[in-house]
Amino acid sequence: ETGVTQTPRHLVMGMTNKKSLKCEQHLGHNAMYWYKQSAKKPLELMFVYNFKEQTENNSVPSRFSPECPNSSHLFLHLHTLQPEDSALYLCASSQEGVAGGLAKNIQYFGAGTRLSVL
Amino acid sequence: AQTVTQSQPEMSVQEAETVTLSCTYDTSESDYYLFWYKQPPSRQMILVIRQEAYKQQNATENRFSVNFQKAAKSFSLKISDSQLGDAAMYFCAYSRETSGSRLTFGEGTQLTVNP
Repeated sequence: ETGVTQTPRHLVMGMTNKKSLKCEQHLGHNAMYWYKQSAKKPLELMFVYNFKEQTENNSVPSRFSPECPNSSHLFLHLHTLQPEDSALYLCASSQEGVAGGLAKNIQYFGAGTRLSVL
Repeated sequence: AQTVTQSQPEMSVQEAETVTLSCTYDTSESDYYLFWYKQPPSRQMILVIRQEAYKQQNATENRFSVNFQKAAKSFSLKISDSQLGDAAMYFCAYSRETSGSRLTFGEGTQLTVNP
């Protein structure tokens, strides 16, 4: 079982649809992240959650709505998306606040959801 | 703001040979971490190696090693005895000591390994 699991692997949706991406981490971490990966561009950090509280929103349009019900689960709710939102969406987790040790500042990633908006 | 630059969009290497991927970064911080992540066709980002800026010794992990030049803000990855399974997109990333795990990524280098 991988440490960070994302579902679905692929998603095709119309611009008027509402869908959700799911991420689950089995590593006991306390922080989770959403990234957008577009072709020929660096990964863009979208949202950060620490201890279930959103601590960062990097000017993401409101058509993307994150939800973190507990420290193991993270959702990204999608509605009225645009074709330019087509991308690979990656989830990651990390353990924050570890004093020293190799675990600090290391993020573990899921395999992503490939989203196509028609 | 911190930036990470990978100037080689694509690289290729013969199996069993050595290849070096380049990365430069810009920061005014003195304490930070640098990473190389690998993203194979399976899409899962995998940590290859990690370097703490306060350590002068270059990190190594089996066939992977880095050349960390703090003054030059350079962080290259050397892959020795390249294997077919090393073919992937490689990303250089940076995080500040004080910002937890927030990563800034480079654009990536696509590595092809030729048999």
